[in-house]
Amino acid sequence: KNQVEQSPQSLIILEGKNCTLQCNYTVSPFSNLRWYKQDTGRGPVSLTIMTFSENTKSNGRYTATLDADTKQSSLHITASQLSDSASYICVVSSTGGGNKLTFGTGTQLKVEL
Amino acid sequence: GAGVSQSPSNKVTEKGKDVELRCDPISGHTALYWYRQSLGQGLEFLIYFQGNSAPDKSGLPSDRFSAERTGGSVSTLTIQRTQQEDSAVYLCASSLGGQSGANVLTFGAGSRLTVL
Repeated sequence: KNQVEQSPQSLIILEGKNCTLQCNYTVSPFSNLRWYKQDTGRGPVSLTIMTFSENTKSNGRYTATLDADTKQSSLHITASQLSDSASYICVVSSTGGGNKLTFGTGTQLKVEL
Repeated sequence: GAGVSQSPSNKVTEKGKDVELRCDPISGHTALYWYRQSLGQGLEFLIYFQGNSAPDKSGLPSDRFSAERTGGSVSTLTIQRTQQEDSAVYLCASSLGGQSGANVLTFGAGSRLTVL
């Protein structure tokens, strides 16, 4: 069964600090891995998409890594801001479209002053 | 429109009633997806439309759930004889194409359904 596991489940950090969120997956076949940010009361918004051959991809203060051998990904957030408070969801795609996505349950990040 | 619009944003209903949830995708997006997000759970795929047809309905949890899409645009998710376990946020997403694994999905804000 395809699964995506994320850790930690929740995290509280001080503004300006860095943090790293983890994602392990068992999805086959593998097409790509996505990180989404979901603000409270909103739909998820795509941060990065990485294919098998990509090891790292950045989007502003967000940097995602992918190790396809160990089936692990991380999302690193640099110099956190209050607006980074959200749920971060790791999503793995099998070959195909949005009906072949496996979603993690997310890491709830809270950035405090 | 500029984004994916869903309505209503919140719906409270009594057990046994029928509800309709609406999704207006981004103009030109041929693929449309419905997901369900329950508290503490990952998003659960329900149904996928390519144009007006639904090549994949495998996620619909029971025959009380149905969806249609007309004109290659607006979609309606209908839940008949609602049960308390149907309480969740129902998210709609659209994308340019169907089966390309790299297609970016744009999500709506969701419809929060509470069944009393």
